[in-house]
Amino acid sequence: DIVMTQSPDSLAVALGERATINCKSSQSVLHSSNNKNYLTWYQQKPGQPPKVLIYWASTRESGVPDRFSGSGSGTDFTLTISSLQAEDVAVYYCLQYYSLPWTFGQGTKVEIK
Amino acid sequence: QVQLQQSGPGLVKPSQTLSLTCVISGDSVSSNSVTWNWIRQSPSRGLEWLGRTYYRSKWKNEYAAIVQSRIAINADTSKNQLSLQLNSVTPEDTAVYYCARAPGKGEGYGFQIWGQGTMVTVSS
Repeated sequence: DIVMTQSPDSLAVALGERATINCKSSQSVLHSSNNKNYLTWYQQKPGQPPKVLIYWASTRESGVPDRFSGSGSGTDFTLTISSLQAEDVAVYYCLQYYSLPWTFGQGTKVEIK
Repeated sequence: QVQLQQSGPGLVKPSQTLSLTCVISGDSVSSNSVTWNWIRQSPSRGLEWLGRTYYRSKWKNEYAAIVQSRIAINADTSKNQLSLQLNSVTPEDTAVYYCARAPGKGEGYGFQIWGQGTMVTVSS
């Protein structure tokens, strides 16, 4: 199984400041056939299911604010919130869908400092 | 707009069977371009994929190794829904259970659309 490891487990960022979350996979999730990284970032708020923010590691889902961006390739990925807003308080997860079983990171809790 | 509506009991006794249903609207459970999945979430295990069913000329199922011996996921085309059965449950199976739609791998996303979640507690 591919193990997904996120860092940090939690972070507190001041409103308007940048938040950066890292996700590392135990093996590459870059598919050679299409040169795409099979990685999605989710946002989860209490009592709700996860919501897609970014897929293909860097493609923003329709309707997601452009302060959210994803980068990285192979085994190392980053989710950046360029200017943290109050509504961004949530837990963020990465998911690899390169190979079964699809696996999630343990989550990163983002709070306001 | 695809929506998934889950139902099922919130309390199951140890050694019994957990049964959940997920009704699909806006798509067909028989679609040959998506898979239908069950995922659970607990504080101790995080988000964990359990298995999936999908139709590609015939029905196929794939399950996570951790539950393979006691899980069944089925599609009911007459009701456009999928179901989860997990046998011989223990308190370790206490979790929020989600159904989720995943487009074909060529479309990206992983799990794109999620049900609202069902909290299931295993306790006597």
